[in-house]
Amino acid sequence: SQQGEEDPQALSIQEGENATMNCSYKTSINNLQWYRQNSGRGLVHLILIRSNEREKHSGRLRVTLDTSKKSSSLLITASRAADTASYFCATDPNSGGSNYKLTFGKGTLLTVNP
Amino acid sequence: DTGVSQDPRHKITKRGQNVTFRCDPISEHNRLYWYRQTLGQGPEFLTYFQNEAQLEKSRLLSDRFSAERPKGSFSTLEIQRTEQGDSAMYLCATPADGGANVLTFGAGSRLTVL
Repeated sequence: SQQGEEDPQALSIQEGENATMNCSYKTSINNLQWYRQNSGRGLVHLILIRSNEREKHSGRLRVTLDTSKKSSSLLITASRAADTASYFCATDPNSGGSNYKLTFGKGTLLTVNP
Repeated sequence: DTGVSQDPRHKITKRGQNVTFRCDPISEHNRLYWYRQTLGQGPEFLTYFQNEAQLEKSRLLSDRFSAERPKGSFSTLEIQRTEQGDSAMYLCATPADGGANVLTFGAGSRLTVL
């Protein structure tokens, strides 16, 4: 089963614009992560935000987490054509121990047009 | 290159045939994960190993699927009597260096069952 649900399913923007993707989840978590996947490739980790954090930045990425609403957002600023990819949120459930068993959402397909 | 090598990258087979995928982590990790990703979906957990022991299996892993990690290093995932519904990307992952519950994924093995 997939815990996370990304919104929107697909997003098309122009180069230079900002892209915002949202993720909702169902159970309590230790942390939430965002991954990127280029077409036909494996996933690459982008950023992790812990359950006691509300906002985190990394380069052009900004992630927020609202544990009361069980939701997160990923903002990519000043997008580039190379940012075109699928983006997935993944939750690390708070199950009393860490086994790295991440649960992924269905993803947002981001297309950045030159 | 990621820290995980998967082979083959693409396998086309006829329904009813057996297929085997191999995962080779570049560096040693106690844990190794298999995920399955169908078109337009996020990765779904299949199974994971702690050294050579298979500790958890998803209900997605029917009795036609078997995974091994004989020496606690590389792993194989075999699918017997393949069905068209087995067509998917099979992803292998290990914990990223530095911990924090981040996974490093291989590029995946794409299976097409005709």
